[in-house]
Amino acid sequence: AQSVTQLGSHVSVSEGALVLLRCNYSSSVPPYLFWYVQYPNQGLQLLLKYTTGATLVKGINGFEAEFKKSETSFHLTKPSAHMSDAAEYFCAVSDPTGGGNKLTFGTGTQLKVEL
Amino acid sequence: GAVVSQHPSWVICKSGTSVKIECRSLDFQATTMFWYRQFPKQSLMLMATSNEGSKATYEQGVEKDKFLINHASLTLSTLTVTSAHPEDSSFYICSARDLSRNTEAFFGQGTRLTVV
Repeated sequence: AQSVTQLGSHVSVSEGALVLLRCNYSSSVPPYLFWYVQYPNQGLQLLLKYTTGATLVKGINGFEAEFKKSETSFHLTKPSAHMSDAAEYFCAVSDPTGGGNKLTFGTGTQLKVEL
Repeated sequence: GAVVSQHPSWVICKSGTSVKIECRSLDFQATTMFWYRQFPKQSLMLMATSNEGSKATYEQGVEKDKFLINHASLTLSTLTVTSAHPEDSSFYICSARDLSRNTEAFFGQGTRLTVV
């Protein structure tokens, strides 16, 4: 079984400040890891994903995440927050042995960006 | 990226009636579609997985007779909430993948269902 823990249901940063959203996972096999963003009353948009290879993954909108196996973490960062980054962010994990078919989501982190 | 269109975006229905939600992949073949339910301020909970031409696989605790899923073509899956009750009010989201090309999952924009 797999699980995802997102520490902090709400994160508030100032515009221009560093964004750090935390994600820890539990998996019996090396997982695939994902970050999605959701704007109000909309579906999810993939920000970035890790499957294999380089552990530092760059995504859209200036976001990146680093897979750290020893820490079972996949934290999402962005050097400088923008007002448009305000949204709900979900970390997700899937089991590649099952074809990476089923996603297990964390509970989400609401990012607020203040002037 | 590929486009998944979900319709309607919102619907209000009376208790006891049935509601159908459509999920279409517009520019790719969706061999597999997923239906999620999202309660306010909570994460997405997978309800079922459907493969084109096959019966859906439901997650534990999801009533298959209440949430009917049909995936009759490679571009369309439907979720029918039968005999809806107020507790079925939620945000329903579909996602679609083409496993033959190992694509990522693309999400629809979601459907806000309110049962009154």
